[in-house]
Amino acid sequence: DGGITQSPKYLFRKEGQNVTLSCEQNLNHDAMYWYRQDPGQGLRLIYYSQIVNDFQKGDIAEGYSVSREKKESFPLTVTSAQKNPTAFYLCASSIDIQGAETEAFFGQGTRLTVV
Amino acid sequence: GESVGLHLPTLSVQEGDNSIINCAYSNSASDYFIWYKQESGKGPQFIIDIRSNMDKRQGQRVTVLLNKTVKHLSLQIAATQPGDSAVYFCAENIAGSYIPTFGRGTSLIVHP
Repeated sequence: DGGITQSPKYLFRKEGQNVTLSCEQNLNHDAMYWYRQDPGQGLRLIYYSQIVNDFQKGDIAEGYSVSREKKESFPLTVTSAQKNPTAFYLCASSIDIQGAETEAFFGQGTRLTVV
Repeated sequence: GESVGLHLPTLSVQEGDNSIINCAYSNSASDYFIWYKQESGKGPQFIIDIRSNMDKRQGQRVTVLLNKTVKHLSLQIAATQPGDSAVYFCAENIAGSYIPTFGRGTSLIVHP
């Protein structure tokens, strides 16, 4: 079945360590996104990518990095520079026809806890 | 900056009642709106969408209303069921952008 897969579901990290969250989609979508969700809050955009080898900062990119070497994959690295990394991270994808009105499909999320 | 917001952070209803979740948006350039449902510990799921050239759209037990004059969006759920308990987000796409902007969300609690 087509879909978007995030792994792992739960992740624990020690302070000062980098950690990479995986996101893979087999929907043949061009656009991919990473959002951060804190308890009781909405989704805030970290990074997004429209095409392979290109990505743009969202509203809260500091302390994060991404790569888009393949259309199917958009991993997110939470670096030690991120001051408050404990959160629920959501990856999404959508068909990107510039300006097209299409919904985003979400993965099931990764809950990152810094210990 | 401009953003999507919600009037009611929590809505409690009895099973079988109709639910109405509201959303205010401030960007007049937004032309596409989506409602998502997020169950605890899961990613958001698409419920229904509406384009700015429409003022109403119906799905199965759900209806979305768009009032561009006052920049207001609502989601109506008929005969609410316990399985409808979740957080509901509205999202907007600004014309020319494929990136959805999300509001804070409303928690819907359905009592049996």
